[in-house]
Formats: sequence, C-alpha cells, structure tokens
Amino acid sequence: GNSVTQMEGPVTLSEEAFLTINCTYTATGYPSLFWYVQYPGEGLQLLLKATKADDKGSNKGFEATYRKETTSFHLEKGSVQVSDSAVYFCALSPRNAGNNRKLIWGLGTSLAVNP
Amino acid sequence: ETGVTQSPTHLIKTRGQQVTLRCSSQSGHNTVSWYQQALGQGPQFIFQYYREEENGRGNFPPRFSGLQFPNYSSELNVNALELDDSALYLCASRTGQGIGDTEAFFGQGTRLTVV
Repeated sequence: GNSVTQMEGPVTLSEEAFLTINCTYTATGYPSLFWYVQYPGEGLQLLLKATKADDKGSNKGFEATYRKETTSFHLEKGSVQVSDSAVYFCALSPRNAGNNRKLIWGLGTSLAVNP
Repeated sequence: ETGVTQSPTHLIKTRGQQVTLRCSSQSGHNTVSWYQQALGQGPQFIFQYYREEENGRGNFPPRFSGLQFPNYSSELNVNALELDDSALYLCASRTGQGIGDTEAFFGQGTRLTVV
C-alpha cells in the first residue's frame, strides 16, 4: 500500500541552524511528493512539491529532492529562522487512476526555532 | 489567507448526534476535498467532490457523506457520531481533479469534539 513515514518531533533548533526533516515513502508507481506547513493557528499551506524522480522542489529557502532509489523526500533548509516554527507534513499522491485524487500524509514534525 | 473558509471553527456534539460542517471554496475552484486529522496524526482523506459529484473516497463509513453545491461550496455530514470522530476536519479546494493538477488550498479546519 501507500504510506509516508517522517521523522518524529519535536525538533528544536537555534536560529541559523541547518534543518533536515526526513521523509520516506512507500508507493506503487511514481507518486507526486509534497511538503506542507502548518503555522500556529493557520491552515495547511503547500511548501513545495516534486512530481518525478530527481526533481527538486524549493520555496522560501526550503528544498527537497525526489529520490526514487531511496524512496525519500527529505526537507532541508540551510539557516532556519524563528518564523519557521511550525508543523511540517510530508505527503504523497499516488499516480494510479482513481487514487490520484487524494493525499496520503505523514504524521507531521513539529519544529521550534529559538532566537 | 487562502480564501477557503470553514464553519464553524469549533463545536461539541454528543455521541449519536448528527453534524454538518461547511466549507466555502476559493473563488474559481471546482474541486473540494475533505480530510480528518486526529490529534497528533496526519490528515486522512475522506472524499472529494468535483462539479457536484463525489469522485473519490477514502476508508470512511457511509455515515460520512457530503454535498457540493453549484457555487462549489461544500458540506460534510456525519451521522451517528462516535467518540472517535473527534478530530480536526479540513477542507481543501483547487481546480481540476487530479491532486497534481493545481495547488490545493486548505481552510483552517473545524475542531469537532464528541462527548
């Protein structure tokens, strides 16, 4: 079946530290992969996405590369800010007909950045 | 601000009751999806509506039902509420049917508590 596993939180970093949040997936075929972010008191927002192997999604200094060989889509940022404090969700959308209408989500990783 | 609004923001219901949650889609979006997010979990896909017809469903029982109206707003109805239905219910709207077509915009959710 299809599933997403992401590293457990909470993750606590100091400002300007390097961030990695691991995400691995299981899927039939080649899914589309996403990172969503949920800031305190707000709804989910798409952070970045990749739709095929070796694609790199990037936004707001965050990056993630679609690695088919390791079935991974790790989220990275070189220098985090206090404003990056949020919950981050990794998600996939299967390609096969009938399933490409839904997102399958990881459990979320809470990030707290201290000044 | 995504333009997707959900109401109410919070409500408390008694086991066995029925509840209706509402979602107003972003202007121009003809597809709406509903997700259930239990505490500490990732969202789980309930179903999706495209142009007033259900065109995708997750592993939820028939007592979870929905509607999409001509203006593309939507309702989620849950009958015979159970304690495990307590969760954050998220609505997402976009254009197109496939999850990879366009970005999905999420509302802030409705927090349902069943006692």
